[in-house]
Amino acid sequence: NAGVTQTPKFRVLKTGQSMTLLCAQDMNHEYMYWYRQDPGMGLRLIHYSVGEGTTAKGEVPDGYNVSRLKKQNFLLGLESAAPSQTSVYFCASSYLWDDRGYTFGSGTRLTVV
Amino acid sequence: GESVGLHLPTLSVQEGDNSIINCAYSNSASDYFIWYKQESGKGPQFIIDIRSNMDKRQGQRVTVLLNKTVKHLSLQIAATQPGDSAVYFCAVSGDSWGKLQFGAGTQVVVTP
Repeated sequence: NAGVTQTPKFRVLKTGQSMTLLCAQDMNHEYMYWYRQDPGMGLRLIHYSVGEGTTAKGEVPDGYNVSRLKKQNFLLGLESAAPSQTSVYFCASSYLWDDRGYTFGSGTRLTVV
Repeated sequence: GESVGLHLPTLSVQEGDNSIINCAYSNSASDYFIWYKQESGKGPQFIIDIRSNMDKRQGQRVTVLLNKTVKHLSLQIAATQPGDSAVYFCAVSGDSWGKLQFGAGTQVVVTP
């Protein structure tokens, strides 16, 4: 019962570099989400997906792109990393109105220098 | 716009005492409320939830109270233990797509 798995767990990027964060869930959840967590600001929604092949913008989508080619995977891409994107990134999934809310991954700590 | 806020950034509690964490929300249409616990270096974990047709819900050592009149919810932890040290988030949803809006979190520190 892996739940939600995020890779990598840590990454340091130079400004302008690109990278992709991978989120995989094995619970057959329809909804998947990418959040970023910054000190004192709680979790902010970057992008989300309501099903395979669909994506939508959240609260802070600028500088990020996403893809949901397979139901179990949700990819978050940074095309040209900026220091402002230094954060902890969390992926989550849910089965519509699952009574237990979201299941979160353990996070990816990204530093952009 | 919508906002979700916790009342205190840090709560220091003596072991064995009860903890109360508060959260205010602004959207009167919100109908689902969740409390999450986040330990250092981990993702948030579900603690307890409540829907808008209820005022109170109890779990193991935890109780959530919802006051829709003043748009306020609280999490009570009975007999706080060292393992309860964590950041606690409230999350609120009224959106049909299931998107949750999170508060900034309250750090609970349990002292011996």
